[in-house]
Amino acid sequence: DQQVKQNSPSLSVQEGRISILNCDYTNSMFDYFLWYKKYPAEGPTFLISISSIKDKNEDGRFTVFLNKSAKHLSLHIVPSQPGDSAVYFCAASARKYGNKLVFGAGTILRVKS
Amino acid sequence: ETGVTQSPTHLIKTRGQQVTLRCSSQSGHNTVSWYQQALGQGPQFIFQYYREEENGRGNFPPRFSGLQFPNYSSELNVNALELDDSALYLCASSLTGAYQETQYFGPGTRLLVL
Repeated sequence: DQQVKQNSPSLSVQEGRISILNCDYTNSMFDYFLWYKKYPAEGPTFLISISSIKDKNEDGRFTVFLNKSAKHLSLHIVPSQPGDSAVYFCAASARKYGNKLVFGAGTILRVKS
Repeated sequence: ETGVTQSPTHLIKTRGQQVTLRCSSQSGHNTVSWYQQALGQGPQFIFQYYREEENGRGNFPPRFSGLQFPNYSSELNVNALELDDSALYLCASSLTGAYQETQYFGPGTRLLVL
């Protein structure tokens, strides 16, 4: 069962514009959500996270929004840069389940210059 | 601060063989988790080790086993390799007991089973 879904396999954005990556989850026990960025031949790099007690977390150009009632989170990147081109994974965890991460399938972001 | 390291980077094995993958956790971390990432998919949780004991397991058969050592480094062992075991194996370390237990990943070991 896919508890975390990223329904857009890919996204193409012009440099300088906003990139919005979306993620949906089904398990209401999830209490911590993370975004990772992955370049080819590298491991996932932690980007930003949000606890279920918050609805927004911001770090520089990256902002994550959490809508618990809709079981939806999104990552906003503004302004987008060519170096942001990578695969972005949404992940969720729950203290009840020992904080194992459940990942979505990823979204390929291409930022065109 | 030293990040998560994994060895080897690449490995080729034949069906039925056994393999051991190694991981050194980030300094200050006490927990190691292993994930398998097949092509085109997100990482799948294999198991987690804390205080040298298995602390949670995903939907993987017993031929996937692991160890954690007193210095928090870890090994993943896979017996009787199958073709479907070909994947990127990722190790992540974290600090159990921290307010938010963010997992940090190593570069991975790419395993090819022929």
